[in-house]
Amino acid sequence: GENVEQHPSTLSVQEGDSAVIKCTYSDSASNYFPWYKQELGKRPQLIIDIRSNVGEKKDQRIAVTLNKTAKHFSLHITETQPEDSAVYFCAAPGGNTPLVFGKGTRLSVIA
Amino acid sequence: SQTIHQWPATLVQPVGSPLSLECTVEGTSNPNLYWYRQAAGRGLQLLFYSVGIGQISSEVPQNLSASRPQDRQFILSSKKLLLSDSGFYLCAWSVGDSSYEQYFGPGTRLTVT
Repeated sequence: GENVEQHPSTLSVQEGDSAVIKCTYSDSASNYFPWYKQELGKRPQLIIDIRSNVGEKKDQRIAVTLNKTAKHFSLHITETQPEDSAVYFCAAPGGNTPLVFGKGTRLSVIA
Repeated sequence: SQTIHQWPATLVQPVGSPLSLECTVEGTSNPNLYWYRQAAGRGLQLLFYSVGIGQISSEVPQNLSASRPQDRQFILSSKKLLLSDSGFYLCAWSVGDSSYEQYFGPGTRLTVT
């Protein structure tokens, strides 16, 4: 089955700096890669996703890049703000199986 | 638009007591439904998923069970709770055979004492 590895597990950045979170996956058939943001005590929320027919997708300060050959994808947050502090999860499907999630990255943006 | 409800929002139960958590989705038909558990400070563990009424797939053997009595209703149950069942229980939905976009409900925080 699919295996998703996420790094780093914790990340601290100064406000205004960029943050990058990376995930690798094992199933070469995977074709959909979402990122979720979970604030403390809240539900995970889908913030951006990418499908395997594109290499990069951007939405304001958030972007996701995909390298199908290397089987990894990354979340990029630019000009970080304190409200970006949260736990971020990547995920990937494996064929007909539901999403497999990474273990999460706790991002702290220091003002 | 689609909305997903879970109740109760919080629950404190003694060890050995039964459990019933409910999830309903509005604004869509024939959704795929999922139950996840999240232990404190941990990741998302898929427990069950369902692609239709009466169709339940179990991902992790445990003392929990799931049922889907109606198209947009998903129930998580246990006959006897364990301390290790404490956590944040999240229901999620998606639609379509090829769509993996999952949207989560507000969750139920369960504490087993």
